[in-house]
Amino acid sequence: EIVLTQSPGTLSLSPGERATLSCRASQSVRNSYLAWYQQKPDQAPRLLIYGASSRATGIPDRFSGSGSGTDFTLTISRLEPEDFAVYYCQQYGGSPFTFGPGTKVDFK
Amino acid sequence: QVQLQESGPGLVKPSETLSLTCTVSGGSISTYFWSWIRQTPGKRLEWIGYIYDTGSTHYNPSLKSRVTISIDRSKNQCSLRLSSVTAADTAVYFCARHPYHDFGSGRYKHEYYMDVWGKGTTVIVSS
Repeated sequence: EIVLTQSPGTLSLSPGERATLSCRASQSVRNSYLAWYQQKPDQAPRLLIYGASSRATGIPDRFSGSGSGTDFTLTISRLEPEDFAVYYCQQYGGSPFTFGPGTKVDFK
Repeated sequence: QVQLQESGPGLVKPSETLSLTCTVSGGSISTYFWSWIRQTPGKRLEWIGYIYDTGSTHYNPSLKSRVTISIDRSKNQCSLRLSSVTAADTAVYFCARHPYHDFGSGRYKHEYYMDVWGKGTTVIVSS
């Protein structure tokens, strides 16, 4: 099983700032099959990024993903008020599919 | 626009079987893979398993001995059964869709990220 670790656990920032979230895998993720999701309180996760760097339909271009192998990054170039949420990475290159523990982006 | 809705009892007694249904509206259940995922009170997400519209399934080994996922194409529904539940099975349960790319002539590339999720349903295991 591929274990995903996310850092930091909490990121305290202000609107307009840049957010950089990390996801590290315990072994190489095949074909960079790594997705990022955003979750707000009492809502389901929302797909942001798949294939490590492809934005899902309707996702603003301030969200970008990068990385390969075991190290992946989600970057939010300029935080908007609606971006304060929890972000999860998920690998689907190996079974079982696994999720990271999440990074919370909150207001400084 | 496709929507997913989970339904089922919100309270299950220990040692009993949890049964949930996911109803797909605004689109067909066919040609897609469908997963069940749960989120613990500590907010950890755990993939439970998936089913294809042919009925083919694949489960998380950690739950495999207790899980059954089924599909009813006539009702546009898939279902989850989890037997011998304990308090550790208390969670929000989500169903989600895996998209695919259609290359024509019956050729598809199925993806294993999840592009559409239901809102989730809370299940508490308690006597």
